[in-house]
Parts: sequence; structure tokens; C-alpha cells
Amino acid sequence: SAVISQKPSRDICQRGTSLTIQCQVDSQVTMMFWYRQQPGQSLTLIATANQGSEATYESGFVIDKFPISRPNLTFSTLTVSNMSPEDSSIYLCSVAPGDPYEQYFGPGTRLTVT
Amino acid sequence: AQKITQTQPGMFVQEKEAVTLDCTYDTSDQSYGLFWYKQPSSGEMIFLIYQGSYDEQNATEGRYSLNFQKARKSANLVISASQLGDSAMYFCAMWRRNTPLVFGKGTRLSVIA
Repeated sequence: SAVISQKPSRDICQRGTSLTIQCQVDSQVTMMFWYRQQPGQSLTLIATANQGSEATYESGFVIDKFPISRPNLTFSTLTVSNMSPEDSSIYLCSVAPGDPYEQYFGPGTRLTVT
Repeated sequence: AQKITQTQPGMFVQEKEAVTLDCTYDTSDQSYGLFWYKQPSSGEMIFLIYQGSYDEQNATEGRYSLNFQKARKSANLVISASQLGDSAMYFCAMWRRNTPLVFGKGTRLSVIA
């Protein structure tokens, strides 16, 4: 199994500022994923972050807006840059250690942009 | 491309009754997995149950069971003996190897006392 922690758990930010969300896993994993969940919506994949390579972004998400770091096999950060109220969402980190039934989620970061 | 469809935006169920949440999927892969997650108002994603495409028996986990009909590409979640604490959003998701989960739009379940 994998235990994931995220910091911060929630934040209220002003538009135009940036917030960096941290994701820490208690074991080494190759693949990490960042999801966004806008209010009342489902989870949408932002990007896949593998250690040692550039993050792969999904359509509609760009590196300038959501830069991601993956310095080692247990840690990743997602930055939400130049925030607007439309960025108000829950941001979730997820890992897939290997076996198909192993998909773990962090507790999420609830972001409100005013 | 793989796709998950949950056609019930909201469902109501009486406490202690059973409820079925629908999920259909579309994929050309032979090897895949289907998940159900519960998301309470706190926002965390709680794993409920998993069904692999090659599993011959329907998955069960306590009060949760998955009605897997491979030919119809459906993976419905059945919750027996509903409790007030079951009120939450429920998401169906599909897995393929080395790819992230793809989620349906979710179903909001409300359990009535």
C-alpha cells in the first residue's frame, strides 16, 4: 500500500498569485498523477509526473500554468500559477505503485481563489 | 479512447435499502480494471471496490458488490443496507496498465432516514 500526504490541505489565495502544492508518498513509486476537481465536477487529469523526465500534460493544461516538479520517487509538487477564481478546485495527487488494484489518492488540497 | 459513463447525476435511497449505481464503459483493451470510489464532502477519495477484466467472479467488499457484465460493458455498484453515512459522491473509474485512471462524472447518493 501507499500513504500519501498533501500540503496544504486548504488555502485561500488572491488572484494573480501562485500556490505550490506538495505531495509526499511513504514509498517509492514511478508514476504520480495530478488531478483537478472543479466544484461539482469529476476528476480531470492535469499531468503525469515520472521521476527523471518532464511531466506529460493533458489537453487543456500547460506547463506555464501548472509547473510540476518530481525530484525523487517519493515527492512531487504542483504549482498553480497566476491564479484566477476559475482555478478554485480540489487538487489531488495520486500514485499507481504497480498492481492494477493499487491506485491511491492523497487527501486533496482545497483551493479557493478570491 | 476509453470512456466511463455514469447516467445518474443523483440518487435517493431509503436507509437500510439496497441501491444500484450504474456505470458503463467503453474500451477496446482486453486487460483493464474498474474501480468505484466514494467521495464525501471532505473531498478525499475513498477506494471501495475493484474488478479486473479477467476476474470471473463479481467483486465484493462488505456491503459493496460490483455487478460486472463484461459483454454489456457495465460495472454497476450495489450498496446493500444503506446507511446515512453512505451519502456522498460516487465515481466509477477505469484503469489500464501504466495509464492514469479515467473517471465518470459521478453520482450523488443521498440516503434518507
